Amino acid sequence: KAGVTQTPRYLIKTRGQQVTLSCSPISGHRSVSWYQQTPGQGLQFLFEYFSETQRNKGNFPGRFSGRQFSNSRSEMNVSTLELGDSALYLCASRPTGSYEQYFGPGTRLTVT
Amino acid sequence: QKEVEQDPGPLSVPEGAIVSLNCTYSNSAFQYFMWYRQYSRKGPELLMYTYSSGNKEDGRFTAQVDKSSKYISLFIRDSQPSDSATYLCAMGFYKLSFGAGTTVTVRA
Repeated sequence: KAGVTQTPRYLIKTRGQQVTLSCSPISGHRSVSWYQQTPGQGLQFLFEYFSETQRNKGNFPGRFSGRQFSNSRSEMNVSTLELGDSALYLCASRPTGSYEQYFGPGTRLTVT
Repeated sequence: QKEVEQDPGPLSVPEGAIVSLNCTYSNSAFQYFMWYRQYSRKGPELLMYTYSSGNKEDGRFTAQVDKSSKYISLFIRDSQPSDSATYLCAMGFYKLSFGAGTTVTVRA
């Protein structure tokens, strides 16, 4: 079974721009979560989607948003990029009825 | 105080040694516990997933959970250079709280 895939793998943006990241979960997984990983803060939860509905949200500003499609694929959007948004953005999917999460390779975003 | 505390190391051991990693946590509501391995510039890979207190073994890996002490451990037996990575503990339900990660180097 294919793992979680994320595109693009690398991205360079300028401060003030916006960016959209994409995630395809493991086949059959309906839950998708997003995390931000930085050297200073480690891995932090952004939000979780299940059946196209956001179920949980972390402590990030409203510039961070997401959505999920009927095929469980998910996108994450960051508007008005700041230098501090430079990070590895990880997507994870979870099988229904279980709590273990499987991560994708991440999208490394650099904001200049 | 962070919800999950993990010594970032680094930890350096000779090949064949037992690697011992641990985390403490403060939220008694945590019921599900995981250990991930992350190689440089890669996504975290799930190693172990446990629910209850006690031990769980999978090959060279043993995970221990002590809910009364809010303490979890991961042991790696017969460590190999390929085990050199950052190990992250994680816990929670839908939202996972992570430790800072411990960087481990296994010397050949």
